[in-house]
Amino acid sequence: EAQLVQSGGGLVQPGGSLRLSCVASGLSFSNYWMTWVRQSPGKGLEWVANIKEDGSEKSFVDSVKGRFTISRDNAKKSLYLQMNSLRAEDTAVYYCARYHCSGGVCSTFDYWGQGTLVTVSS
Amino acid sequence: DIVMTQTPLSSPVTLGQPASISCRSSQSLVHRDGNTYLSWLQQRPGQPPRLLIYKISNRFSGVPDRFSGSGAGTDFTLKISRVEADDVGVYYCMQATQSPPTFGRGTRVEIK
Repeated sequence: EAQLVQSGGGLVQPGGSLRLSCVASGLSFSNYWMTWVRQSPGKGLEWVANIKEDGSEKSFVDSVKGRFTISRDNAKKSLYLQMNSLRAEDTAVYYCARYHCSGGVCSTFDYWGQGTLVTVSS
Repeated sequence: DIVMTQTPLSSPVTLGQPASISCRSSQSLVHRDGNTYLSWLQQRPGQPPRLLIYKISNRFSGVPDRFSGSGAGTDFTLKISRVEADDVGVYYCMQATQSPPTFGRGTRVEIK
């Protein structure tokens, strides 16, 4: 069965850090871009970050630039999101997803992880 | 960023009857390569989003044929030909033609 299994997340104080992980099984990983998307009641679904197949290109939504980093380990079929200087507005369910890209054009998110809740509160 | 607007916000449907959801984008979703990267996602209660349709009308693996997508340019529609209990949830349109990818706010499908 193709799946992305997430771990990490939880409750953290403002200014704190968390690391999210996402492991792929039953689906190709190293040949695909990967992405993080978050979902909060106030903002709905919001794209957060992308990383190219080989990790050479990364992009972020403006609100997390300089605070979040995205990385991957293709040998472990794993994706990571390091979140620093967390703010209350980062509170959301975070999903990893596989980004279907071909020839430099990306079309859709075809497989999604189960999601992990990040709560930033004192 | 491209804004995706969905209507209606909620759609109460009788089992076995059709349902239709509209999605409008603030700009044309036709990519310079000629394709239109408009997708539909389903999110059942307590579940992550799941891809249903990509490039306007292509059903993803395992998606029943009662789901269909249509449209062009800035106006798109998801149709469920005969709603089943399993179809309850929130449906989102999503564009990937222009970075960053953006999502509609969702349409809740519920059984009358």
